Amino acid sequence: GENVEQHPSTLSVQEGDSAVIKCTYSDSASNYFPWYKQELGKRPQLIIDIRSNVGEKKDQRIAVTLNKTAKHFSLHITETQPEDSAVYFCAAIMFSGGYNKLIFGAGTRLAVHP
Amino acid sequence: IAGITQAPTSQILAAGRRMTLRCTQDMRHNAMYWYRQDLGLGLRLIHYSNTAGTTGKGEVPDGYSVSRANTDDFPLTLASAVPSQTSVYFCASSAALTYSPYEQYFGPGTRLTVT
Repeated sequence: GENVEQHPSTLSVQEGDSAVIKCTYSDSASNYFPWYKQELGKRPQLIIDIRSNVGEKKDQRIAVTLNKTAKHFSLHITETQPEDSAVYFCAAIMFSGGYNKLIFGAGTRLAVHP
Repeated sequence: IAGITQAPTSQILAAGRRMTLRCTQDMRHNAMYWYRQDLGLGLRLIHYSNTAGTTGKGEVPDGYSVSRANTDDFPLTLASAVPSQTSVYFCASSAALTYSPYEQYFGPGTRLTVT
C-alpha cells in the first residue's frame, strides 16, 4: 500500500551535534519529498523539499538527500540548536485515485539539549 | 497577507452536535485539504479539493463533509460529532493538485474536543 515510514520516532542530541532522520516510501513513481517542522501547538511548516531529479539539497544547516533506487530520503541537521527542538515530518507525493496526495510519515520528536 | 486562517481556534462539542470548521486562504491556491492530527500520530487526509466546485475523499473521510463554493473557502462539517473525532484539524492549500508546484501550506489548526 501507500506508506511512508519514518525513523527514529524520538531523537535526543546535544547542542552542536548533528541529527539525522530517515524515511522510506513505497511508490517508486513519487517525485516530490517535503520535510515539515512542527513546534508544540503550532502548525506544520515546510522547511525543505527535494524533487526526484536531484540527489541532495542544502539550506544553511539543513540538508536532504534522496536515493530513488532504494526509495529512501533523509533529513540532516548540523550544528543543532535548542530551537531545532520540534517534531519533524517527512512526506512523499503519490498519485492515486486521480489526484496527487502527500503521504506523511509518523513524525520524529527531536530534542536538542543545551 | 494572512495566508490561511482557520476558525475556531478550539472548540468543545457535545457528541451528536453538528459543527463546521472554517478555512480561508488568500493565496489564490487552487487546491485545498483537510487533515486531522491525533496525538502521537502524523497527518491524515480527510478530504481535498482540486479547484472550486470539486471535492474528493482522502484517507479518513467518514463522518465528514466538505464543500468548495469558491477558491478561498473550504469548510469542513461534522454532521453528528463522535468522541473519536477529537483531534487537531489542519487546513492546507497548494497552488495545484495534479502538477507542480506541490508545496502545501498549513493553517494554524482547530483543536476539537468531542465529549
